[in-house]
Amino acid sequence: QKEVEQDPGPLSVPEGAIVSLNCTYSNSAFQYFMWYRQYSRKGPELLMYTYSSGNKEDGRFTAQVDKSSKYISLFIRDSQPSDSATYLCAMSLRPHGGYQKVTFGTGTKLQVIP
Amino acid sequence: DTAVSQTPKYLVTQMGNDKSIKCEQNLGHDTMYWYKQDSKKFLKIMFSYNNKELIINETVPNRFSPKSPDKAHLNLHINSLELGDSAVYFCASRPGLAGPSTGELFFGEGSRLTVL
Repeated sequence: QKEVEQDPGPLSVPEGAIVSLNCTYSNSAFQYFMWYRQYSRKGPELLMYTYSSGNKEDGRFTAQVDKSSKYISLFIRDSQPSDSATYLCAMSLRPHGGYQKVTFGTGTKLQVIP
Repeated sequence: DTAVSQTPKYLVTQMGNDKSIKCEQNLGHDTMYWYKQDSKKFLKIMFSYNNKELIINETVPNRFSPKSPDKAHLNLHINSLELGDSAVYFCASRPGLAGPSTGELFFGEGSRLTVL
């Protein structure tokens, strides 16, 4: 069993829809949670990060962490065709320090249809 | 200005050959990584260097040998290439141990290796 599980999709939604992307994890010591976005043939880019439990909002994006359930989510409101990409959740034991190994989920491919 | 650059972007080679991928970052970061992304998009860490010192070495065949000549460069040499080595290899960097940081990894665009 992988440390971080993520539904690979693909997930296809119409433009304007609300998208929910999720990950579950097994290591309760994870404290720092991230979402990366990867466009086709490009490297991943950090989209959002949260520390410990709670919500964080940035424009159309909201990240949620539920440490009791070992479950994290990314919500995208008013989805746009430009949001079409693979979304990877990632987590580590602490936010900074070069010794931190970042563990990634397998990524969910999202397609937003105009 | 590309922050993390990798060469080559594409590499097609025969089984049994030896090949190298190079990575350079101009962000002033202390820590650099090699990740392997398979066809299902799973990103798996291979190695990490902090200021030229190897700090993470996951279970990777010893045909893979990283080298960091200075903290801005991290190369990956692969001996006796096998079919299963076909993947996209990503270099990434991150600020070092000291000081505040979001912990963000900055990735290059990847080097797509195909072994025939």
